[in-house]
Amino acid sequence: QLQLQESGPGLVKPSETLSLTCTVSGGSITSSNYYWGWIRQPPGKGLEWIASVYYSGSSYYNPSLKSRLSISVDTSKNQFSLKLRSVTAADTSVYFCARQSTKENSLDPWGQGTLVTVSS
Amino acid sequence: DIQLTQSPSSVSASVGDRVTITCRASQVISSWLAWYQQKPGKAPKLLVYAASTLQSGVPSRFSASESGTDFTLTITSLQPEDFATYYCQQTKSFPLTFGGGTKVEIK
Repeated sequence: QLQLQESGPGLVKPSETLSLTCTVSGGSITSSNYYWGWIRQPPGKGLEWIASVYYSGSSYYNPSLKSRLSISVDTSKNQFSLKLRSVTAADTSVYFCARQSTKENSLDPWGQGTLVTVSS
Repeated sequence: DIQLTQSPSSVSASVGDRVTITCRASQVISSWLAWYQQKPGKAPKLLVYAASTLQSGVPSRFSASESGTDFTLTITSLQPEDFATYYCQQTKSFPLTFGGGTKVEIK
């Protein structure tokens, strides 16, 4: 059964870089049928798609975040990662990683999520 | 970007009730829509993809349909475990976008 697990610091200072990694277990990140995505949810608010990456490294970004974002994949570790630069309090959210079907573009399954707070 | 407008934003219902949630897309997306259920403190769970196809393991009291740019998720005979927030997501194109969510609360 495929599982995803987010990891990274829970507290980041304003203007610094938020770095998260998603570790995939129970399946290969090199499957041609899937992208691997990041989604976030500010406390008490709705869902926002951040970015998706294919195992080859090709990626798609949310235009509203693109200038601060980079997403990468490490097939040797079955992981993919997110870096968001110059963070502000508005970036405080629960960050989820998820598998995204290349056929349907639906997201399943999801990791449990990790809360990242931006504060000095 | 494709905008999704969900309504209502919240609904109060009782166990056994029928609940319908609507999601309207800002442009034609054909059947490129998914529905998710999210419980407090948990990750969203995929319920429906391709507008009306139930994900494996989702109870048959859930159903979904489309009419033009309007999509509906219906829960017949609401169960205690169905009290949650529901989101639609367009899957037609990047950037992927979500509706604002509908919270189904206990009456």
